Amino acid sequence: GQSLEQPSEVTAVEGAIVQINCTYQTSGFYGLSWYQQHDGGAPTFLSYNALDGLEETGRFSSFLSRSDSYGYLLLQELQMKDSASYFCAVRDRTGANNLFFGTGTRLTVIP
Amino acid sequence: ETGVTQSPTHLIKTRGQQVTLRCSSQSGHNTVSWYQQALGQGPQFIFQYYREEENGRGNFPPRFSGLQFPNYSSELNVNALELDDSALYLCASSQSHAGVTGELFFGEGSRLTVL
Repeated sequence: GQSLEQPSEVTAVEGAIVQINCTYQTSGFYGLSWYQQHDGGAPTFLSYNALDGLEETGRFSSFLSRSDSYGYLLLQELQMKDSASYFCAVRDRTGANNLFFGTGTRLTVIP
Repeated sequence: ETGVTQSPTHLIKTRGQQVTLRCSSQSGHNTVSWYQQALGQGPQFIFQYYREEENGRGNFPPRFSGLQFPNYSSELNVNALELDDSALYLCASSQSHAGVTGELFFGEGSRLTVL
């Protein structure tokens, strides 16, 4: 089976840095993805880690440690528009190209 | 904007009815997946279609069925609706090889309410 655990809520101040953690259990592993979803909107792809280490894309970075079954999303220079839900997801190795999502972390950015 | 469009955006049905949701995939994408997202939860995989055939299925009963058409658009059909089927239904498209990066392109979903 598969399971992903994330904190349910995080609050941070505008301009600050926030880290959203994700631990996973899966029978097979291709990589860890991160998605952002604003209220009423579509999930949008942020990043993907297949190998250990840090991937940086602008203000967002994502980290993976396969030995620890752990990853995180790092958001820097927080802006009010970053208030959204963030989901980590793993690919299913059963052959279908689908994702298994965590329950999500609701980030609230305050002034 | 992902180029994935879904219709209708909102609909209300009663228990026992049937519903059809529609999705147009992004240009050049030949794979469509459907996800169910309950309030406050992450999306859950329903099934995937590739070249008009079901190519994988999540833990959903047979009353959830789908189709993919030659132009790669897709339908999700749910029969004998139950109250627990109330959710946001998301369509996601990808090129089949795009799965290597775990990147899916989602539509904004169809919000189904079952009364």
